[in-house]
Amino acid sequence: SQKIEQNSEALNIQEGKTATLTCNYTNYSPAYLQWYRQDPGRGPVFLLLIRENEKEKRKERLKVTFDTTLKQSLFHITASQPADSATYLCALDGQAGTALIFGKGTTLSVSS
Amino acid sequence: DVKVTQSSRYLVKRTGEKVFLECVQDMDHENMFWYRQDPGLGLRLIYFSYDVKMKEKGDIPEGYSVSREKKERFSLILESASTNQTSMYLCASSLEGAGNNEQFFGPGTRLTVL
Repeated sequence: SQKIEQNSEALNIQEGKTATLTCNYTNYSPAYLQWYRQDPGRGPVFLLLIRENEKEKRKERLKVTFDTTLKQSLFHITASQPADSATYLCALDGQAGTALIFGKGTTLSVSS
Repeated sequence: DVKVTQSSRYLVKRTGEKVFLECVQDMDHENMFWYRQDPGLGLRLIYFSYDVKMKEKGDIPEGYSVSREKKERFSLILESASTNQTSMYLCASSLEGAGNNEQFFGPGTRLTVL
C-alpha cells in the first residue's frame, strides 16, 4: 500500500532563515500533492497544491517542489518568521483516486 | 467566508454511550470526510462521502458509522463509545474529485470517552 513519510517530526530554525520540510512517498505515483498548515487545537488549512507535471510552485514566501523520480516533495518557507511556527502536513491523492492520504506532519518552530 | 462547522468543540461522554458528531459545510461541496487525529499517528480517514446517501470506508471505520442525508451535512456516529475513541475528530469537505481539490477543515471536536 502507498506510504507517505515526513521524515522530521520537528524542525527548529532561526528567524529569517529558510525552512525546508521533506515529504517522501513510496509504492505509488500520485497525480497531486498538497501541503497544509495546522495550528494547535485547530483544523488544517490548505496552502499549496502541485501536480505531477509541475516541478515547482510558489506562493508568496512559500515554494513547493515535486520530484516524481525521487518520489519526494520539498516545502520551503523563505525569510521565516515566528508566526510561521506550526505543524505542516503533506498529503497525496490515494491510489484508489478518492480521499487524500496525509503524512504525520513536521512541527516547525521559528525562534526570534 | 466559506465554512465547515462542527457541532461541538469539546465533548465528554461515557463508555457505551451513543455519540453523534455533526458537520455542516456551506460551500455546496460534493465530498465530505471524517478524520481522527492522534499524537504520533497523524490524520487517519474514518469515512468519506462523495454524494448524498453515499459513503465509503476509510482506513479505520471500525466502531463508527456515518450518515449523509443532505448535501451540506455529514454525521459521524459512535454506536457505543469506548475509551480508545478518545481523540480529536476533524471534518472536511471538498469539491468533487480527489487530490486535485483542496480540503476545507472544520475546527475539530475533542472527544473524551470516560
